Amino acid sequence: KAGVTQTPRYLIKTRGQQVTLSCSPISGHRSVSWYQQTPGQGLQFLFEYFSETQRNKGNFPGRFSGRQFSNSRSEMNVSTLELGDSALYLCASSPAGLVYGYTFGSGTRLTVV
Amino acid sequence: DQQVKQNSPSLSVQEGRISILNCDYTNSMFDYFLWYKKYPAEGPTFLISISSIKDKNEDGRFTVFLNKSAKHLSLHIVPSQPGDSAVYFCAARLNSGGSNYKLTFGKGTLLTVNP
Repeated sequence: KAGVTQTPRYLIKTRGQQVTLSCSPISGHRSVSWYQQTPGQGLQFLFEYFSETQRNKGNFPGRFSGRQFSNSRSEMNVSTLELGDSALYLCASSPAGLVYGYTFGSGTRLTVV
Repeated sequence: DQQVKQNSPSLSVQEGRISILNCDYTNSMFDYFLWYKKYPAEGPTFLISISSIKDKNEDGRFTVFLNKSAKHLSLHIVPSQPGDSAVYFCAARLNSGGSNYKLTFGKGTLLTVNP
C-alpha cells in the first residue's frame, strides 16, 4: 500500500514569493494534517483537514493556508514568504479514528533566501 | 503554552545500555500517548503508544511507562543499538469529540547511541 506522498521534496524560494506544497494521503485516509518542523521548535501543528473541511488550526499567521480536495489530497500555501518560513513541512494522514496516530510523509524541505 | 515537553534536547548512550527518554505533559484530558522516531530527511514513524488507562506497554526492546499522577511518561530502549540513533518525539492525543482527534508533539530528543 502506497504511503503518504509529498511533493516537491526540496524547494528554494525568494523572500516575498508564495509557495504551494502538495500531499497525497494513504488511500482511504480522510484526515490530512500539516506540521512545520524547525530545529528549535520541533513539530508545530499547522492545520488539519477532514472531508475537505478545516477541522483544527494551529497558531500560525494567515499567510499559511491549506485546502483538501474530494480525493483527500491536500495542498498548503504560504504567501509572502519570510526567511523564518524555512523549514521541513510534514504532512500526515490518518483514518477517521486516529487510533494509532498518523502516517507521515517524508516532507518538503523549503528554503527561503 | 507548551502542553507536551521534552526537556532533554539530546541524549548519548553506549551501545547495549539502556536509553531513557522522558516526556512531561500538562493537560490531564490527553487520552493516548505516542512515541515517534525520526531520521534526517525522513518523516517521523510511529514507534509505540500507550493508553491513559495503562501504566506500561512493551514492544520488543521498547517499553513506554506512564505515570498519570506525575503527568510523566518515559520511553525505555533496551538494549540500545546504533540504529536507534534518531530524534524521538513524544506526542499526546486529545479527543475533541466524535472522531476529531488532535496530536500535540514535544520538541524532540536527539538520541545518539555510540558503538
